[in-house]
Amino acid sequence: DAGVIQSPRHEVTEMGQEVTLRCKPISGHNSLFWYRQTMMRGLELLIYFNNNVPIDDSGMPEDRFSAKMPNASFSTLKIQPSEPRDSAVYFCASTPTGELFFGEGSRLTVL
Amino acid sequence: QKEVEQNSGPLSVPEGAIASLNCTYSDRVSQSFFWYRQYSGKSPELIMSIYSNGDKEDGRFTAQLNKASQYVSLLIRDSQPSDSATYLCAVNKGTGRRALTFGSGTRLQVQP
Repeated sequence: DAGVIQSPRHEVTEMGQEVTLRCKPISGHNSLFWYRQTMMRGLELLIYFNNNVPIDDSGMPEDRFSAKMPNASFSTLKIQPSEPRDSAVYFCASTPTGELFFGEGSRLTVL
Repeated sequence: QKEVEQNSGPLSVPEGAIASLNCTYSDRVSQSFFWYRQYSGKSPELIMSIYSNGDKEDGRFTAQLNKASQYVSLLIRDSQPSDSATYLCAVNKGTGRRALTFGSGTRLQVQP
């Protein structure tokens, strides 16, 4: 069975550029989560969706971040404009019942 | 006070020994508890879940939960060098599909 699929795996961009991260959850999982991991702050929740509806976006740092889930099999996390402090690994995870299954992550470097 | 607290380590144990990893949480309404293993440069991988007080065993792993003390632990028996990783404790405040709050992780080193 395919797991959570994220793209791109690595992204290097310059400050001010738009970044779009993509996620395909495991089929049949109705909840999708975006987390960010840094050495300083660990694994932080950014936003999560239940049945494609955003439930909690209190972890989204500021208006530069936005996330969408247009259907059950696809979600995007967009950063516009990007800043060096956004450099981190961004994980997408999905679940049917509670335990999260993570994708391999997107490592973002903003120069 | 952090919602989920773990000692960052590193916790160093010799091969074949028992590794004991601990986690405390602050919110008494928490109902579901998880342990994840994360190798360097990789994504977190679910090892164990526990929902009720007591012990739950799965192979070399035992999760222990004490809701009165707001304490969760993970025991790894017969530790192997391949167990060297960061172990993340995660807590779900309710049942169903809600976000997990993660601790900062404990780095385990198993010495051959």
